[in-house]
Amino acid sequence: EAGVAQSPRYKIIEKRQSVAFWCNPISGHATLYWYQQILGQGPKLLIQFQNNGVVDDSQLPKDRFSAERLKGVDSTLKIQPAKLEDSAVYLCASSRGGRVSTEAFFGQGTRLTVV
Amino acid sequence: AQSVTQPDIHITVSEGASLELRCNYSYGATPYLFWYVQSPGQGLQLLLKYFSGDTLVQGIKGFEAEFKRSQSSFNLRKPSVHWSDAAEYFCAVGAEGYQKVTFGTGTKLQVIP
Repeated sequence: EAGVAQSPRYKIIEKRQSVAFWCNPISGHATLYWYQQILGQGPKLLIQFQNNGVVDDSQLPKDRFSAERLKGVDSTLKIQPAKLEDSAVYLCASSRGGRVSTEAFFGQGTRLTVV
Repeated sequence: AQSVTQPDIHITVSEGASLELRCNYSYGATPYLFWYVQSPGQGLQLLLKYFSGDTLVQGIKGFEAEFKRSQSSFNLRKPSVHWSDAAEYFCAVGAEGYQKVTFGTGTKLQVIP
């Protein structure tokens, strides 16, 4: 079974530029998550999708971050415009269901550096 | 609100020695507790989880954790550490309902020969 795929693995951009990350979850997983992991901190949930609907985006900075999951499969996370403090690893995860008891599987992440 | 504290930022142990990583949580009801491992350049992998029942939980790679409600702790243990265990370990607490999982800040484990 293929795991969660993310691209790109690394991205360096200048502040005020825009960037997009892509995630392909495990086949059949209805729930998809985007996490932000700043150096020295644990992952923080940005947004959770159930199929193509948003379940929780309470910690997503909506003035600059956006995410979509068209057709309930792949997802993209966009930052526009980027700030220095957005430098982090962005992790995508997926699970069969949205309950906390369902194991989430994580991708390798995209490391973003904003200069 | 739920929260997790991992008091040790960095731990060094000798290969073959025992290991205990500390985790304290704050949550009003019965928590869902997790330990994840993250190797360099990799995503997080679930080691073990506790929802209810036996308070001593066995996980993958020879790890175990014990839930102690009186101490609000969920410490991770391994009797004999291998060099391949060098990684960062995250404790996390979840809430019932949808997957609202809060992660601790992590403990980086270094294993020396």
